[in-house]
Amino acid sequence: GNSVTQMEGPVTLSEEAFLTINCTYTATGYPSLFWYVQYPGEGLQLLLKATKADDKGSNKGFEATYRKETTSFHLEKGSVQVSDSAVYFCALSRDNYGQNFVFGPGTRLSVLP
Amino acid sequence: DVKVTQSSRYLVKRTGEKVFLECVQDMDHENMFWYRQDPGLGLRLIYFSYDVKMKEKGDIPEGYSVSREKKERFSLILESTSTNQTSMYLCASSFPRGRSQETQYFGPGTRLLVL
Repeated sequence: GNSVTQMEGPVTLSEEAFLTINCTYTATGYPSLFWYVQYPGEGLQLLLKATKADDKGSNKGFEATYRKETTSFHLEKGSVQVSDSAVYFCALSRDNYGQNFVFGPGTRLSVLP
Repeated sequence: DVKVTQSSRYLVKRTGEKVFLECVQDMDHENMFWYRQDPGLGLRLIYFSYDVKMKEKGDIPEGYSVSREKKERFSLILESTSTNQTSMYLCASSFPRGRSQETQYFGPGTRLLVL
């Protein structure tokens, strides 16, 4: 079946540190891959996406590359800010009508000034 | 901007009570979804709907039902609440595949506590 695995949190970093949050998946076919972010007290919002192998999604300084050979979609940012403190969810879309998603458990990131 | 609103931010109920959670979206989306979010488990799909009066079970439908009488509105019903339904409930909506970048838009969530 389809599943998403993320590194356990919480992750605590100092401002301007480099961030990596690992995400691996199992899926039938070739799903699209996503990172969603949830800021405190808010719903989830799309951060970035990639729809096929070797695609790189990017937004707000975050990047992730769709690696079919390693079934991974790791999230990276070169220099985190306090405002990046949030919960990050890796997700894939199941290969059927309507974009039915499978989400990972989420990784909480805290950035200290 | 797409807006997805949920009827309540916080609810406290007693075991056995009936609960309606309502979700409204203003972007004419065909697809609507209900998830629950629990620590360490992420989001799990309860029910979804691809059209008015249409519903499909997600991964954890037991103890829940839904109603979609109008395109913009998708209700989650807990007929008789139990303590294991204490959770954060998130509603989402989207266009169907082929019309969008496969993005789901989420509401702010309803935190339900069942005593």
